[in-house]
Amino acid sequence: AQKVTQAQTEISVVEKEDVTLDCVYETRDTTYYLFWYKQPPSGELVFLIRRNSFDEQNEISGRYSWNFQKSTSSFNFTITASQVVDSAVYFCALSEGVGNAGNMLTFGGGTRLMVKP
Amino acid sequence: DVKVTQSSRYLVKRTGEKVFLECVQDMDHENMFWYRQDPGLGLRLIYFSYDVKMKEKGDIPEGYSVSREKKERFSLILESASTNQTSMYLCASSFFGTGYYEQYFGPGTRLTVT
Repeated sequence: AQKVTQAQTEISVVEKEDVTLDCVYETRDTTYYLFWYKQPPSGELVFLIRRNSFDEQNEISGRYSWNFQKSTSSFNFTITASQVVDSAVYFCALSEGVGNAGNMLTFGGGTRLMVKP
Repeated sequence: DVKVTQSSRYLVKRTGEKVFLECVQDMDHENMFWYRQDPGLGLRLIYFSYDVKMKEKGDIPEGYSVSREKKERFSLILESASTNQTSMYLCASSFFGTGYYEQYFGPGTRLTVT
């Protein structure tokens, strides 16, 4: 069965610090997708990024970057020069891409990031 | 923009009541999902529907049922609400595929059962 673990339940940083959110996953499939979502205080989850299991290239989008390593089953998320607006709960999620069930996501427990001014 | 709306942001019900949570999406998505979110547990899937009248159980379907009579609408039903169903309920939708498509979420309904 698939599983996603976000070991950091809460992280607190001061503005402009860099911060990395960890995500470790378990799956028996060779084809799968990994996602990161942001949940700001308003409550609505916002999609940030998707990665498929065959693409291990790291990705950078502005202050956000993602490091996917199949060897360690990790998909970590780094925010560079954090800002107060980055304060949110961040979720890592996995879909196994097979049949109807492949449309389902398994979420990690989430990491609450607090960025203080 | 994709829009997923949920009928209520906050709801207070009594133990034993039948509760309906409604979700509507406007992007012609095949898939719709109901999750509950509890602190430290992340989001857990209750039910998933990939077509009208089609449904599949998620991780925690006990105590819940669903209805999808129209493509755009997906209802979650608590047949007899209990206090352990006090939670945040999130609806989502996506295109049908092999896990590729991201899900779009509604704002959530915070349900309190007293």
